Amino acid sequence: AQSVAQPEDQVNVAEGNPLTVKCTYSVSGNPYLFWYVQYPNRGLQFLLKYITGDNLVKGSYGFEAEFNKSQTSFHLKKPSALVSDSALYFCAVRDAFQKLVFGTGTRLLVSP
Amino acid sequence: GAVVSQHPSRVICKSGTSVKIECRSLDFQATTMFWYRQFPKQSLMLMATSNEGSKATYEQGVEKDKFLINHASLTLSTLTVTSAHPEDSSFYICSAPRTGATEAFFGQGTRLTVV
Repeated sequence: AQSVAQPEDQVNVAEGNPLTVKCTYSVSGNPYLFWYVQYPNRGLQFLLKYITGDNLVKGSYGFEAEFNKSQTSFHLKKPSALVSDSALYFCAVRDAFQKLVFGTGTRLLVSP
Repeated sequence: GAVVSQHPSRVICKSGTSVKIECRSLDFQATTMFWYRQFPKQSLMLMATSNEGSKATYEQGVEKDKFLINHASLTLSTLTVTSAHPEDSSFYICSAPRTGATEAFFGQGTRLTVV
């Protein structure tokens, strides 16, 4: 079965510093990996995806993610964090039936 | 702009009543939609897959008679929480995959509070 793990419940970073939100995956076959962001009482917004191609994927709002097959990881990164980036971030993998399996989520808190 | 619209965004109902939540794909047809439930400070749990023109497929442990799903058209799926109880209070989110896109699009979510 497909699964993703987000080992950190919360990540704290100061504004202007780089941020990393970790995700590891377990899939059979080639993974379709996604990052979504959720603001309070809102649905999920798509940030970026990895399907195939370059291991470094660039997405919305300056976020990027690095696909690492040997480490089965898909960490979300941003060179310089903003206070407005504070939100809940979900890593997800898509199965053959287009269902998304989500990680437990990581709360990102960016302090001024 | 939003490609999947969910309504209402917030609803409060009394125990024993039913509540209907709508999920619409705005500029594309969706033969399949997904309904998720999110508990406070937790991840999203897939409840069911809504299939246009046929019965919904429910995940294990989800009560079919409690959570009625109807996918009446290619742009509309509804989730009805029947005989609601306080433990049904939660955040419900729908999503729809769009042909040609690998990412799913999500509605804004519905905060249901049963009092």
